[in-house]
Amino acid sequence: ETGVTQTPRHLVMGMTNKKSLKCEQHLGHNAMYWYKQSAKKPLELMFVYNFKEQTENNSVPSRFSPECPNSSHLFLHLHTLQPEDSALYLCASSQDTSFQETQYFGPGTRLLVL
Amino acid sequence: QKEVEQDPGPLSVPEGAIVSLNCTYSNSAFQYFMWYRQYSRKGPELLMYTYSSGNKEDGRFTAQVDKSSKYISLFIRDSQPSDSATYLCAMSRTGGFKTIFGAGTRLFVKA
Repeated sequence: ETGVTQTPRHLVMGMTNKKSLKCEQHLGHNAMYWYKQSAKKPLELMFVYNFKEQTENNSVPSRFSPECPNSSHLFLHLHTLQPEDSALYLCASSQDTSFQETQYFGPGTRLLVL
Repeated sequence: QKEVEQDPGPLSVPEGAIVSLNCTYSNSAFQYFMWYRQYSRKGPELLMYTYSSGNKEDGRFTAQVDKSSKYISLFIRDSQPSDSATYLCAMSRTGGFKTIFGAGTRLFVKA
């Protein structure tokens, strides 16, 4: 595996379910990011981790809970989501947060909340 | 006022045309200017970035930054159907501040 991988690629869940998104980067980077991409809207930064420490929580509702066990892995735990949370969730990495001009993205998880 | 404005398109051009994609921004503190290409059902792919003002060329792609006008452009020469994608501009500055993205311009290159 190379670059940034994300699983699952597609996810359908009910509002009462609990699920997790996984991201793994094989680039030796130290910063990892979660973004939400909705149709015709700019990417919305959700969370940032730098050297495993969370450095940004962009006013994200508590139904989204990130976890970064090491610099290569990032999770997004989901529970009691709303239909408006349906979107493409993208993971990205960079050398560290001082090098945000070279972020590398994974393919995303397409989430549908019913 | 949005920090970054980008015309959503869609922009449709014939194969071989020169394409011009643009973004304007309001924060004069931005120092790095990036262009990403995103194919349908894929994540954004970094095409190129420039630091401060000036031009940068990579094959058929040229990025241009005019900080005095707060305006950036991406030119694609000899456009190909494989260039059909959504192009996102993005901007950042040193100090760990978050990167700001445009909403993307959808480009169609017709064979």
